[in-house]
Amino acid sequence: GAGVSQSPSNKVTEKGKDVELRCDPISGHTALYWYRQSLGQGLEFLIYFQGNSAPDKSGLPSDRFSAERTGGSVSTLTIQRTQQEDSAVYLCASSLARRQPQHFGDGTRLSIL
Amino acid sequence: QKEVEQDPGPLSVPEGAIVSLNCTYSNSAFQYFMWYRQYSRKGPELLMYTYSSGNKEDGRFTAQVDKSSKYISLFIRDSQPSDSATYLCAMSATGAGTYKYIFGTGTRLKVLA
Repeated sequence: GAGVSQSPSNKVTEKGKDVELRCDPISGHTALYWYRQSLGQGLEFLIYFQGNSAPDKSGLPSDRFSAERTGGSVSTLTIQRTQQEDSAVYLCASSLARRQPQHFGDGTRLSIL
Repeated sequence: QKEVEQDPGPLSVPEGAIVSLNCTYSNSAFQYFMWYRQYSRKGPELLMYTYSSGNKEDGRFTAQVDKSSKYISLFIRDSQPSDSATYLCAMSATGAGTYKYIFGTGTRLKVLA
């Protein structure tokens, strides 16, 4: 079956530009997560969506980062006024419910010049 | 001190060897323990998902949790070159924070043919 799909797979942009990253979760999965993976670092939790509940945004590193999930399915992570330290792999995961194991997409590799 | 510690490796073993991968942690509230495999330029793939202490076996993989020592292990029997990847441990607590996985930085494994 189809797994978690992320697009684009790679994104190169100039410092100061805005970027949008897209995540299409596994069909039927109500929970959706965004993580950031930097070289030599573990995965860093960013944000969590569960159904129609208010998202947990506690991991977002600054107010330049925002995310939304429309219709309980597709999610978009937006980074405004990108900085070089934003360069990383952004991973999306989904799970059937909060306590179920998380399944990851292949990520978007973001490079800020 | 990080909540989850994992030796980055690389760990090189000959084909057919038994591989032992380990993580230590400091938070006694962790109850869910996961192992993911990540190939280069791919997302993490769930290998094992366990709750609380004990062993779990799936094919060539065995996961062990020792909560008294705050130590988890993944054993790979009859290792193959295709097992060459980075192995990530992850864990989470029960209750409201169940969905917040805390990841180790990963151990790079090389299985030599």
